[in-house]
Amino acid sequence: AQSVTQLGSHVSVSEGALVLLRCNYSSSVPPYLFWYVQYPNQGLQLLLKYTTGATLVKGINGFEAEFKKSETSFHLTKPSAHMSDAAEYFCAPGGKLIFGQGTELSVKP
Amino acid sequence: DTEVTQTPKHLVMGMTNKKSLKCEQHMGHRAMYWYKQKAKKPPELMFVYSYEKLSINESVPSRFSPECPNSSLLNLHLHALQPEDSALYLCASSQDSVETQYFGPGTRLLVL
Repeated sequence: AQSVTQLGSHVSVSEGALVLLRCNYSSSVPPYLFWYVQYPNQGLQLLLKYTTGATLVKGINGFEAEFKKSETSFHLTKPSAHMSDAAEYFCAPGGKLIFGQGTELSVKP
Repeated sequence: DTEVTQTPKHLVMGMTNKKSLKCEQHMGHRAMYWYKQKAKKPPELMFVYSYEKLSINESVPSRFSPECPNSSLLNLHLHALQPEDSALYLCASSQDSVETQYFGPGTRLLVL
């Protein structure tokens, strides 16, 4: 069974709009969760990670995610999209060496 | 230094060629990984080295042969590849399998 599920293979927002990328995890996943970003023709880069402690995690480039155990979710948000945010985003459970199917974010001017 | 380097950046090879991909990290990480990524798909794990020993081989065909000469270097030797092996090959390293992985930029491989 897939450990994490990303809802929506493609999300399109206007510049300045809220970004919401969804990730749900299965109960078999240890409580370590990551979001990685992959810009075109590059490797993956860590955006943020949840291990223990505060459930609201802040990452690079203004992104944040909230670990919600009751909803088994770890959705990624950014208040205001920028053109440079256009990329592929992957949710990943710690220790599993697998990734969600990815969500491609497009930002329209 | 949080950089993982990979060479070459691009590689075109015929089905009878032998080539190698190289990966290097100087973060003192003890785990190193090879992933294969097809277009519009997530990376798929191929191999894991832990403390310079092969710990995971995800049923990868023998035409891919990994090697870890020392704690900083990881090679992937390629021989008699098929066109369907064309992909982006990513190297990564981490302190252990639970921690953040640091990825190289990848080698884009085309098999003709």
